[in-house]
Amino acid sequence: EDQVTQSPEALRLQEGESSSLNCSYTVSGLRGLFWYRQDPGKGPEFLFTLYSAGEEKEKERLKATLTKKESFLHITAPKPEDSATYLCAVGAGGGADGLTFGKGTHLIIQP
Amino acid sequence: DTGVSQDPRHKITKRGQNVTFRCDPISEHNRLYWYRQTLGQGPEFLTYFQNEAQLEKSRLLSDRFSAERPKGSFSTLEIQRTEQGDSAMYLCASRPKSSYEQYFGPGTRLTVT
Repeated sequence: EDQVTQSPEALRLQEGESSSLNCSYTVSGLRGLFWYRQDPGKGPEFLFTLYSAGEEKEKERLKATLTKKESFLHITAPKPEDSATYLCAVGAGGGADGLTFGKGTHLIIQP
Repeated sequence: DTGVSQDPRHKITKRGQNVTFRCDPISEHNRLYWYRQTLGQGPEFLTYFQNEAQLEKSRLLSDRFSAERPKGSFSTLEIQRTEQGDSAMYLCASRPKSSYEQYFGPGTRLTVT
């Protein structure tokens, strides 16, 4: 069974204080690892897809990296508007198309 | 730029009533997904359509749940004889044939009293 574990569950940072969120996964044949941002009461917003170990992608203050067992979402010099829940999900091969999500990391950036 | 839309955004119903939700995917996306999300949890996969064919169902999708996608465009998710445990956010997502990224709608918040 595919599993995704995110840590920490919650993280409070000062504005400008860089940090990393972790996503550990076990999956039978990784088709892709996905990062989403979710604001309260809204649907998840797509951020990145990573397909193979060693791959990195960047968008503004966010950078996602992937190894064979985990992914990191690095946040550099965050701003209060980066406050949200960040969700990690995996897609498996073998014909299954639904994503398996972690519980998310609730990030708060204090001004 | 039209994203995934869902209707209604909020639904309050009494236990035992039937409810139906609608999802309109991004127009060129042929794959459509339904997920359920409860407070403090990530979305959980329910079912998936490729065009009008329902290809995958999660064990979470009990007999009281049914989904359709007539003509391969919009989709409906019906819950019969609702229970308090059905209270959740119901999310719809779609993706094109050419990539694996799923794009989510705003969700329908269901409260069963």
